[in-house]
Amino acid sequence: NAGVTQTPKFQVLKTGQSMTLQCAQDMNHNSMYWYRQDPGMGLRLIYYSASEGTTDKGEVPNGYNVSRLNKREFSLRLESAAPSQTSVYFCASSESRSQGSYEQYFGPGTRLTVT
Amino acid sequence: QKEVEQNSGPLSVPEGAIASLNCTYSDRGSQSFFWYRQYSGKSPELIMSIYSNGDKEDGRFTAQLNKASQYVSLLIRDSQPSDSATYLCAVNMRGGSNYKLTFGKGTLLTVNP
Repeated sequence: NAGVTQTPKFQVLKTGQSMTLQCAQDMNHNSMYWYRQDPGMGLRLIYYSASEGTTDKGEVPNGYNVSRLNKREFSLRLESAAPSQTSVYFCASSESRSQGSYEQYFGPGTRLTVT
Repeated sequence: QKEVEQNSGPLSVPEGAIASLNCTYSDRGSQSFFWYRQYSGKSPELIMSIYSNGDKEDGRFTAQLNKASQYVSLLIRDSQPSDSATYLCAVNMRGGSNYKLTFGKGTLLTVNP
């Protein structure tokens, strides 16, 4: 099992460009998440999908959109990249239950620089 | 604002010592607690989960939970240089109709040979 995979691993964008970060998991998990990690700010939730067909905003959703393509795949789109979106992006997945998620498992991350 | 607080460190211990990492959280209704290890330039890796008050041991790692004090800790016995990493505390907190993990900012641990 590959676990959680993310593409690309690195990306450099110019301000105003768009791109989609891809995430896939092979653990048959219901829930998937997108986080960003910045120095001194910790991990912050951008969007999540509790189950196939649903998506919800997290703590820092502005400037991003998501698509839960199927149970395996959850993509994050930057429509018009800004330097403030320079960060490391992590996708994660977990099983879900009535009072929250089980353990979350993370992908290797995408290092994005916006110039 | 629901928060998870950790001492940012760095925490420096000699090889073979016990490293003690601490975390407090604000949501009294939280039920699930996790410790992640993150090496520099890598993704967070789950090392412990704890759901009930008391201690949970896994090899050299022991997680301790005290819900009344809203406190969770991680002890690493016989610390090794390979344990040098940032340790993230994560707490499942209710936000609206769903529960989500809230992460602390992490404690940097350095184990000196």
